[in-house]
Amino acid sequence: EAGVAQSPRYKIIEKRQSVAFWCNPISGHATLYWYQQILGQGPKLLIQFQNNGVVDDSQLPKDRFSAERLKGVDSTLKIQPAKLEDSAVYLCASSSSGQRQETQYFGPGTRLLVL
Amino acid sequence: AQSVTQPDIHITVSEGASLELRCNYSYGATPYLFWYVQSPGQGLQLLLKYFSGDTLVQGIKGFEAEFKRSQSSFNLRKPSVHWSDAAEYFCAVGDQGGKLIFGQGTELSVKP
Repeated sequence: EAGVAQSPRYKIIEKRQSVAFWCNPISGHATLYWYQQILGQGPKLLIQFQNNGVVDDSQLPKDRFSAERLKGVDSTLKIQPAKLEDSAVYLCASSSSGQRQETQYFGPGTRLLVL
Repeated sequence: AQSVTQPDIHITVSEGASLELRCNYSYGATPYLFWYVQSPGQGLQLLLKYFSGDTLVQGIKGFEAEFKRSQSSFNLRKPSVHWSDAAEYFCAVGDQGGKLIFGQGTELSVKP
């Protein structure tokens, strides 16, 4: 079974530029999560999708971050404009139906450096 | 507020020695608890989870964890550490909506 795929793996941009990350979850998984992991910290949820609807985006800085999952499969996370403090690893995860006891499967992450 | 605390930022153990990584949680209802491991440049991999039943949970790679409600703890243990266990370990609690709330992580180094 293929795991969660993410691209790109690394990205370096200047502040105020825009950037987009892509995630393809495990086939058949209805729930998709984007987490932000700042160096030295644990991952923090940015947004949670159930199929193509948003379940939780309370921690998403909506003035600069946006995310979509148009067909309930792939997802894109965008930052525009980027700030220095956005430097982090962006992890995508998926689970079967989003229930509390389910395992979330994580992709390898996209490491972003904002200069 | 829901939270997870991992008191040890970095631990070093000798290969073959036993290991215990500490995790304390704050959660109003019955907690759903997880331990994940992250190797350099990799995503997170689930080691084990607890949500009901036996309070001693067995996981992959020889790890186990014990849920102690009275102490609000979910410590991870391994009787004999291998060099390949060097990684960062995260404890997490699953909230009602399904998202994971992570601790800050414990980095494990293994001495030869």
